[in-house]
Amino acid sequence: AQSVTQLDSQVPVFEEAPVELRCNYSSSVSVYLFWYVQYPNQGLQLLLKYLSGSTLVKGINGFEAEFNKSQTSFHLRKPSVHISDTAEYFCAVSVPTGTASKLTFGTGTRLQVTL
Amino acid sequence: NAGVTQTPKFQVLKTGQSMTLQCAQDMNHNSMYWYRQDPGMGLRLIYYSASEGTTDKGEVPNGYNVSRLNKREFSLRLESAAPSQTSVYFCASKPGANYGYTFGSGTRLTVV
Repeated sequence: AQSVTQLDSQVPVFEEAPVELRCNYSSSVSVYLFWYVQYPNQGLQLLLKYLSGSTLVKGINGFEAEFNKSQTSFHLRKPSVHISDTAEYFCAVSVPTGTASKLTFGTGTRLQVTL
Repeated sequence: NAGVTQTPKFQVLKTGQSMTLQCAQDMNHNSMYWYRQDPGMGLRLIYYSASEGTTDKGEVPNGYNVSRLNKREFSLRLESAAPSQTSVYFCASKPGANYGYTFGSGTRLTVV
């Protein structure tokens, strides 16, 4: 079975600074990888996904992530954060078999952006 | 707006009571899912339905049952609620394997 580890439960950062949220996964087969964002009292929204091809994936709101197969990582980055990026971010993995291919989520990283 | 609709948004139950959480999607998605979200534990899969007419257990199915009523609707039932089932419940759907989920806005359930 696959699993996801988000190494940081909280990441404080000043506005306009760069940020990296770390995600490592474990799987014996090829995987799909996803990042979701959850704003307070809302559902989760897809930021970006990696299925195949280019290892650098660009998403919404200026976020990007890089798939590194040798390090089994899929870290999320943004060169300059805004106050509105304050939210919880979840990394998720699925195995691309069958129509149901379930997502397994990490425990989340709370990004706190301050002035 | 198209998407996933969950009802109710909030619910308080007494231990031993039963209830059904409703979920409906209007995107013609094949697969639907129920997750629970607890602090520090991320989202854990309760049950899912790969397609209309099929349901399967996820990681934490005990104490729950589901019904895939039709392609649009996927309900989650708590037969005898327990305090350990206090959580935020999310329904999600997707059209196929190469896609991410579309999530509902959640149901916050408290069992006292």
